[in-house]
Amino acid sequence: GAVVSQHPSRVICKSGTSVKIECRSLDFQATTMFWYRQFPKKSLMLMATSNEGSKATYEQGVEKDKFLINHASLTLSTLTVTSAHPEDSSFYICSAREQGASNEQYFGPGTRLTVT
Amino acid sequence: LAKTTQPISMDSYEGQEVNITCSHNNIATNDYITWYQQFPSQGPRFIIQGYKTKVTNEVASLFIPADRKSSTLSLPRVSLSDTAVYYCLVGPNLSGGYNKLIFGAGTRLAVHP
Repeated sequence: GAVVSQHPSRVICKSGTSVKIECRSLDFQATTMFWYRQFPKKSLMLMATSNEGSKATYEQGVEKDKFLINHASLTLSTLTVTSAHPEDSSFYICSAREQGASNEQYFGPGTRLTVT
Repeated sequence: LAKTTQPISMDSYEGQEVNITCSHNNIATNDYITWYQQFPSQGPRFIIQGYKTKVTNEVASLFIPADRKSSTLSLPRVSLSDTAVYYCLVGPNLSGGYNKLIFGAGTRLAVHP
């Protein structure tokens, strides 16, 4: 099956700094990528939909200026958590839909962010 | 987007068949039903997808009644490694587009020796 990677797999940063998380589709082109966050023992919560070459669409309650999303190519989307605070500590997961295909989303392995 | 309801948790024993039922009363005509499995600290993994009747693959079967208001994921002969959270989702849409997948609470399956 198609592979989606994320980098880094885990990151620890100090409060007030910014952190960038990369999501790559390794063997297919992804017109659309999605970003989720997941707190311990909770379900995945969709944060935003990222479309190649256009602005991301954010879900209600998600601050677009805090969670910057860039989808510069058909294989790469980035999520930048700006001015991170301890409450931003979470598991961030991306997924990607293959260009031209409609039925399946492929999920990345996730990135564990800890803000100290 | 159609909301899904499934049991919060289930327990089973090795070698048993496990059936997890999900209700999605407001499913749209063009929506697929998709099930994912998630282990701790990992991204969700696709299990199976269907539109109607029955779908079977190497890991599971999916039963969908004619009214499509519910679906049942069947895991034959579970093992300890099947302990995970199982999510039932409505979507994607048959007509394509970039429709988003909204996760419900999921079912936490615990398989015991």
